[in-house]
Amino acid sequence: KAGVTQTPRYLIKTRGQQVTLSCSPISGHRSVSWYQQTPGQGLQFLFEYFSETQRNKGNFPGRFSGRQFSNSRSEMNVSTLELGDSALYLCASRLQVLDNEQFFGPGTRLTVL
Amino acid sequence: AQTVTQSQPEMSVQEAETVTLSCTYDTSESDYYLFWYKQPPSRQMILVIRQEAYKQQNATENRFSVNFQKAAKSFSLKISDSQLGDAAMYFCAYVNRDDKIIFGKGTRLHILP
Repeated sequence: KAGVTQTPRYLIKTRGQQVTLSCSPISGHRSVSWYQQTPGQGLQFLFEYFSETQRNKGNFPGRFSGRQFSNSRSEMNVSTLELGDSALYLCASRLQVLDNEQFFGPGTRLTVL
Repeated sequence: AQTVTQSQPEMSVQEAETVTLSCTYDTSESDYYLFWYKQPPSRQMILVIRQEAYKQQNATENRFSVNFQKAAKSFSLKISDSQLGDAAMYFCAYVNRDDKIIFGKGTRLHILP
């Protein structure tokens, strides 16, 4: 089975722009979670989608949003980018909610200039 | 709110030796899950080991084992017979009863040949 894939792998944007990141889960996995990883804050949970519905949400401003499609693929959008949004964004999938093993993708490295 | 603390930002161990990574957490819940994840330099995070809080027996996966002390809220990871491929960032994680995951800041482990 193919693993979790994320596109693009690297992205450079400028302040004020918006960005969309994509995540394709492992085939058959219905839950997709997003995380932000920075040297200062570590790994922080953004949100989780299951069956096209947001199931859980972390403490991030409304500029961060996401969605999930019927094929379980998920996108994350960040609007009005700020310098502090520079980070590695990780996506993880799991078969079902409450299934404890998450499988992570390689991440998208976002740099905001 | 739950917190996870990894007090060792970096550690080094000689190849073939044993190393223990520390993790403490703060919670008022009695039912939860704990995990150790490994993030090698290629960045794809993988699950190393998991522990259910209701289980008194410490989890073991080959060379990896945990020392789970529920009363002390401690969850350390022991790596025996360290190998060069064990070099990575290790994250301790706590999953609460709302199925939200909280990560520690990580410990970077270096393996010395």
